[in-house]
Amino acid sequence: DQQVKQNSPSLSVQEGRISILNCDYTNSMFDYFLWYKKYPAEGPTFLISISSIKDKNEDGRFTVFLNKSAKHLSLHIVPSQPGDSAVYFCAASGVYNQGGKLIFGQGTELSVKP
Amino acid sequence: DGGITQSPKYLFRKEGQNVTLSCEQNLNHDAMYWYRQDPGQGLRLIYYSQIVNDFQKGDIAEGYSVSREKKESFPLTVTSAQKNPTAFYLCASSTPGLVSYEQYFGPGTRLTVT
Repeated sequence: DQQVKQNSPSLSVQEGRISILNCDYTNSMFDYFLWYKKYPAEGPTFLISISSIKDKNEDGRFTVFLNKSAKHLSLHIVPSQPGDSAVYFCAASGVYNQGGKLIFGQGTELSVKP
Repeated sequence: DGGITQSPKYLFRKEGQNVTLSCEQNLNHDAMYWYRQDPGQGLRLIYYSQIVNDFQKGDIAEGYSVSREKKESFPLTVTSAQKNPTAFYLCASSTPGLVSYEQYFGPGTRLTVT
């Protein structure tokens, strides 16, 4: 049972435009969400996170939106740059999740074209 | 310079052989994790350890074993019982209990079994 889903395997965006990556979850006990960025043959790096007590968190060009009623979060990148081309994973966790485990989605490969 | 190291970067083994992947961290983190990444499946948790001399199975522990004799080290053994061992393996660490739940990842080991 996939508790965290990223239904778009890939996304292509023109440089300078907005990239929107989506993530859905099923477990209402999740109360913390993270986005990771991953280049090929490298480990993921943390990008941005959001607690369930918020509906928006912004860090420079990156903004994460959380819609708890829809169990949906999205990552907005504005403006998109070629260096943003990577695989993006959303992940979820919460105080109920012993050991600090993260549940990851399948990932979305973003391609930003010059 | 704190971080997580995984060695080797690439590993080749013959079918039927056990192989041990190294993971070391100098972040003074209590918890460590092993994930496996396959194309289109995101990151799946193999084993995790919250403290020294203690570890728990993740979602796909069959065919794997771990040990946690030191806080800094969490080696993963891929045994001959693992049916599809060829994959990209990622080690991570964190300090559970903090609000962020952020995990820090190593660079990964690509294991190829033929």
